[in-house]
Amino acid sequence: EAQVTQNPRYLITVTGKKLTVTCSQNMNHEYMSWYRQDPGLGLRQIYYSMNVEVTDKGDVPEGYKVSRKEKRNFPLILESPSPNQTSLYFCASSALTGANTIYFGEGSWLTVV
Amino acid sequence: GQSLEQPSEVTAVEGAIVQINCTYQTSGFYGLSWYQQHDGGAPTFLSYNGLDGLEETGRFSSFLSRSDSYGYLLLQELQMKDSASYFCAVSTGTASKLTFGTGTRLQVTL
Repeated sequence: EAQVTQNPRYLITVTGKKLTVTCSQNMNHEYMSWYRQDPGLGLRQIYYSMNVEVTDKGDVPEGYKVSRKEKRNFPLILESPSPNQTSLYFCASSALTGANTIYFGEGSWLTVV
Repeated sequence: GQSLEQPSEVTAVEGAIVQINCTYQTSGFYGLSWYQQHDGGAPTFLSYNGLDGLEETGRFSSFLSRSDSYGYLLLQELQMKDSASYFCAVSTGTASKLTFGTGTRLQVTL
């Protein structure tokens, strides 16, 4: 079954405590991306990756890091989380951006206190 | 930068047809796509338009006019399960950068 798996699904953390949200896909997709979703703002792209070792900034990359060491994994790293990073995060993947189906993970609810 | 506009809410009755419009301002336009998201769920890809014209997938169709920077999603034979939020999104540059609209909440009533 085609899947994008994110972990953790729910997390409450404290300001400044580094955390990583993992994302893994089993479809051998080249393209992976992270989004955050906030009320009234829709989905905003944080970072994306076209292939292994190739990453680029989206619209809201500040405060986030990513890495793409393997094709299937694309972790999102918050080095020093702040309350304004409290949000719902989605990872997504596709074989070819634009035309092909983009698969989203189930989402990770992150609260920073 | 990019900006997209879509209505915030639309209400329609079961069995009817509804059209959700999306206008955009962007540079390096590559394509327009549509997503459905039920409350508490993940977005689901519905359709993509890279060229002008209509794309049909079952009860859903999507249209693009690049010259007008405009597209729409057409939902036919509405069902209660179609109640959800619908997002348009533009791909720009290398087609990897996706910018989403703020979403249209569709309420289907009896």
